[in-house]
Amino acid sequence: AQSVAQPEDQVNVAEGNPLTVKCTYSVSGNPYLFWYVQYPNRGLQFLLKYITGDNLVKGSYGFEAEFNKSQTSFHLKKPSALVSDSALYFCAVRDRWYNFNKFYFGSGTKLNVKP
Amino acid sequence: SAVISQKPSRDICQRGTSLTIQCQVDSQVTMMFWYRQQPGQSLTLIATANQGSEATYESGFVIDKFPISRPNLTFSTLTVSNMSPEDSSIYLCSVATTTQGVDTDTQYFGPGTRLTVL
Repeated sequence: AQSVAQPEDQVNVAEGNPLTVKCTYSVSGNPYLFWYVQYPNRGLQFLLKYITGDNLVKGSYGFEAEFNKSQTSFHLKKPSALVSDSALYFCAVRDRWYNFNKFYFGSGTKLNVKP
Repeated sequence: SAVISQKPSRDICQRGTSLTIQCQVDSQVTMMFWYRQQPGQSLTLIATANQGSEATYESGFVIDKFPISRPNLTFSTLTVSNMSPEDSSIYLCSVATTTQGVDTDTQYFGPGTRLTVL
């Protein structure tokens, strides 16, 4: 079965420091992996995705993520956090085998960036 | 990416009533989905809205409770029927496989409808 795990419910980081939000996955075959961000009282916004190619993918707002096949991870990173990055972050994997259109979402990680 | 709007943005309803949520996309899309999200928690897929045929429901969701319509490639509705307080949640519409764009891998989400059932 396809699944995504976000082991941290919350991540706290000081503004200007680097941030990492962790995601591990379990899928059959090669995964399609995504990161979304949700600000309070808003829908999910697409940040970035890994389909194939370079393991380091760059996305919106200075975020990037590294696909690591051996560790089955897709951690979200940013070199210098902003207070405005405080939000709820979701990792997702797309089912490529049984239901190509189905996304499996992680439980979410709340990022708190302190001034 | 597609621009997605939902109506209403929020509502407070009485137990036993029904609410219909609308999802409008600014371009034709192949796939439309409905999700439920408890505030601060993960998303649960309710169903895939199929244009011209019955929606495909996930385990635990049934058509009688969550009837869905998809009359064309830019519009869908989700009805929450015979509501109870347990139906209080955020309902999100999403779309994928934009036919007029090149990005066919990503789901894009509407702003959501926050429903409170008293």
